[in-house]
Amino acid sequence: KAGVTQTPRYLIKTRGQQVTLSCSPISGHRSVSWYQQTPGQGLQFLFEYFSETQRNKGNFPGRFSGRQFSNSRSEMNVSTLELGDSALYLCASVADNGEKLFFGSGTQLSVL
Amino acid sequence: AQSVAQPEDQVNVAEGNPLTVKCTYSVSGNPYLFWYVQYPNRGLQFLLKYITGDNLVKGSYGFEAEFNKSQTSFHLKKPSALVSDSALYFCAVRDRTDKLIFGTGTRLQVFP
Repeated sequence: KAGVTQTPRYLIKTRGQQVTLSCSPISGHRSVSWYQQTPGQGLQFLFEYFSETQRNKGNFPGRFSGRQFSNSRSEMNVSTLELGDSALYLCASVADNGEKLFFGSGTQLSVL
Repeated sequence: AQSVAQPEDQVNVAEGNPLTVKCTYSVSGNPYLFWYVQYPNRGLQFLLKYITGDNLVKGSYGFEAEFNKSQTSFHLKKPSALVSDSALYFCAVRDRTDKLIFGTGTRLQVFP
């Protein structure tokens, strides 16, 4: 089984731009979560989608949004980028009734 | 609110010596606790979990963790460290809304 796939691996954007990140979960996993990882802050939960519905949301501004498609692939969008949005964005999927998250390798976003 | 704390930013240990990475938690009700590891340029990988049962939980790569309810701790341990264990370790707790809340991480450095 293929693992969780995130694209692109690296992104460089400038302030004010917007960006879309993509995540393909493990086949059969319907739950996809997104996390922001920064040094010193650890992993901050962004949101979780299950069967195309947002099931949970963290404490991030409305500039951060996401969606999930019928094939369980998920996208995350950040609008009006700020310097502080520079981070590693991780996506994870989990099986129904499972406890173990499977993470992708992440998208490293740099905002200049 | 549910939370975890990892009091050490970095732990240094010589190869062959026992290692401990500390984690304390704050939850209402029974805790669901996890350890994940992150190798350079990779996503997180599941190590082990505590849901209920024995206080000593065994996981991947020879790691184990001890759940201590009275001290609200869930320390990660390994009897004999390897250089290849050098990585970033995250403790996590599942909160009431089923979100996984991560600590800030502890960098483990194992010296030959």
